[in-house]
Amino acid sequence: DIVMTQSPDSLAVSLGERAAIDCKSSQSVLYSSNNKNYLAWYQQKPGQPPKLLIYWASTRESGVPDRFSGSGSGTDFTLTISSLQAEDVAVYYCQQYYSTPFTFGPGTKVDI
Amino acid sequence: EVQLLESGGGLVQPGGSLRLSCTASGFTFSNYAMSWVRQAPGKGLDWVSVINYSGGDIYYADSVKGRFTISRDKSENTLYLQMNSLRAEDTALYYCAKGDSASSYTSLNNWGQGTLVTVSS
Repeated sequence: DIVMTQSPDSLAVSLGERAAIDCKSSQSVLYSSNNKNYLAWYQQKPGQPPKLLIYWASTRESGVPDRFSGSGSGTDFTLTISSLQAEDVAVYYCQQYYSTPFTFGPGTKVDI
Repeated sequence: EVQLLESGGGLVQPGGSLRLSCTASGFTFSNYAMSWVRQAPGKGLDWVSVINYSGGDIYYADSVKGRFTISRDKSENTLYLQMNSLRAEDTALYYCAKGDSASSYTSLNNWGQGTLVTVSS
């Protein structure tokens, strides 16, 4: 199974400041035949289901603000919030869908 | 608008069974993979199972393999999860999620509100 780790476990960022969350996979999730990284990022606010933010490691889902961006390839990935807003307080998860089981990272809690 | 409505959760004794349902609307159900993801109280997300658009490609987490069965009914626009031999560690909020493509190997771009399963004597 591919193990997903995230760092940090939690972080507190001032409004308008940058937040960055790292995600590492225990093996590459880059599929060579199509050059795509099978990596997604989700945001979960308290009492709500998760929401897809980023897929293919760096493609923003429709309607997601452009302050959210994803980067990385292979085994190392980063979700960046360029200017944190109050509504961004949430837990963020990465997930690989390269091979089953499609494992999630443990989550990173972002606070103000 | 995509809507996913889960039902069927509840309190069940260890060793018991439940069938979860997820009724889908707002999209062509038969064109997309569907998944179940669960979340134990206060814990992170735990992937359970996926079924591709046709039902011909199915995968399970090791923790539920042999006990849970995922299926879909395109005439009813409904996804199912039959859960047998339930254990205390299966206690969680179970989410139904829509894949972003027909393939099982896809991100999950729409989620239901979840249905709570509690396994306890």
